[in-house]
Amino acid sequence: KAGVTQTPRYLIKTRGQQVTLSCSPISGHRSVSWYQQTPGQGLQFLFEYFSETQRNKGNFPGRFSGRQFSNSRSEMNVSTLELGDSALYLCASSLEGQQRFQETQYFGPGTRLLVL
Amino acid sequence: AQTVTQSQPEMSVQEAETVTLSCTYDTSENNYYLFWYKQPPSRQMILVIRQEAYKQQNATENRFSVNFQKAAKSFSLKISDSQLGDTAMYFCAYTTSGTYKYIFGTGTRLKVLA
Repeated sequence: KAGVTQTPRYLIKTRGQQVTLSCSPISGHRSVSWYQQTPGQGLQFLFEYFSETQRNKGNFPGRFSGRQFSNSRSEMNVSTLELGDSALYLCASSLEGQQRFQETQYFGPGTRLLVL
Repeated sequence: AQTVTQSQPEMSVQEAETVTLSCTYDTSENNYYLFWYKQPPSRQMILVIRQEAYKQQNATENRFSVNFQKAAKSFSLKISDSQLGDTAMYFCAYTTSGTYKYIFGTGTRLKVLA
């Protein structure tokens, strides 16, 4: 079974631009989460989607948005990029995001975004 | 607010020895889940071990075990017989059912020395 894939793997943008990152979950997984990873902050939760619905959102400004398609693929968008948005953006998928069923969250390799 | 704290930014251990990584968390919930994830250099994050808060028995997975102290809100990871392949960033994480949100610590960079 193919793992979680993220495209593109690397991206360089300039301040003020916008960017769209894509995540394809493991086949059959319907829950997709996004995280921002920076050296000083660790991983910070951005949002989680299930069946095209956002079920939770982290403390990020409205410039960060996401969506999920009917095939469970997800995209996140960052508008009006700032230097501080430079980070590794990780996507993770699981069956339904239900911990009581002992689900495992599988991570993708990430998209490394550099904002100049 | 729920928080996860890893107070050791970096650690090193000799191959074949044992090392313990610390994690504390803050929550008012009674039922929650704790995890240790491993992120090797330039490789994907993988789950090492998980612990359900309602289970008193400490979880173990081969050379990896946890010391879960619910009252102290402490969740440390013990790696026995350390191997070079254990060199990685280790993250402690927390979640509760129905929130669909994981809270991660800032990580501990572990280096296993030959």
